[in-house]
Amino acid sequence: SYVLTQPPSVSVAPGQTARITCGGNNIGSYSVHWYQQKPGQAPVLVVYDDSDRPSGIPERFSGSNSGNTATLTISRVEAGDEADYYCQVWDSNSNHVVFGGGTKLTVL
Amino acid sequence: QVQLVESGGGVVQPGGSLRLSCAASAFTSSIYGMHWVRQAPGTGLEWVAFTLYDGSYKYYGDSVKGRFTISRDTSTNTVSLQMNSLRAEDTALYYCAHSSSSGLDYWGQGTLVTISS
Repeated sequence: SYVLTQPPSVSVAPGQTARITCGGNNIGSYSVHWYQQKPGQAPVLVVYDDSDRPSGIPERFSGSNSGNTATLTISRVEAGDEADYYCQVWDSNSNHVVFGGGTKLTVL
Repeated sequence: QVQLVESGGGVVQPGGSLRLSCAASAFTSSIYGMHWVRQAPGTGLEWVAFTLYDGSYKYYGDSVKGRFTISRDTSTNTVSLQMNSLRAEDTALYYCAHSSSSGLDYWGQGTLVTISS
């Protein structure tokens, strides 16, 4: 089955740029979606189809996807961005939704 | 805006059954299907099941296939998850999520399932 690999944690100072990676075999051929989950809350879609943002999501959130790595980039990080972030794809070979293991973003 | 409300969680003994329901305030015109996703305490998201909106296709995660059944009732905007032969490792917060063709765009707040003797 398809596997997505994320770093367990990323730390960044306020105002800096955070980059959270999601690795998978030829992930560039998949559409990648990203979710933000704050403690005690349900996940929220922050980027879909590699790089599009749902309405209401700040422009500071962006995404890219190429080769074997997809990246969620959060510019001008704020304390409120501290959360767990998950990447996700649909694996059409197995007809399974696949989530990455999640990355905890800590704002220093 | 779609609101999803899950119900039916509780404490069940191993080997028991439970039926979860997810009531949607409405479905968007772009709805593709509905998912169940679970999260065990302190762990990440695990996909459980998916039904295409018209019910023509249903898919299951490997750990629940053959034990769980997803169904939907479009007349009541409800999606259900019948869970049989429950195990300790099924203990989790279960979310339902609305899916367009681009990601899981609306999520409920979840219902807690605890498998314990």
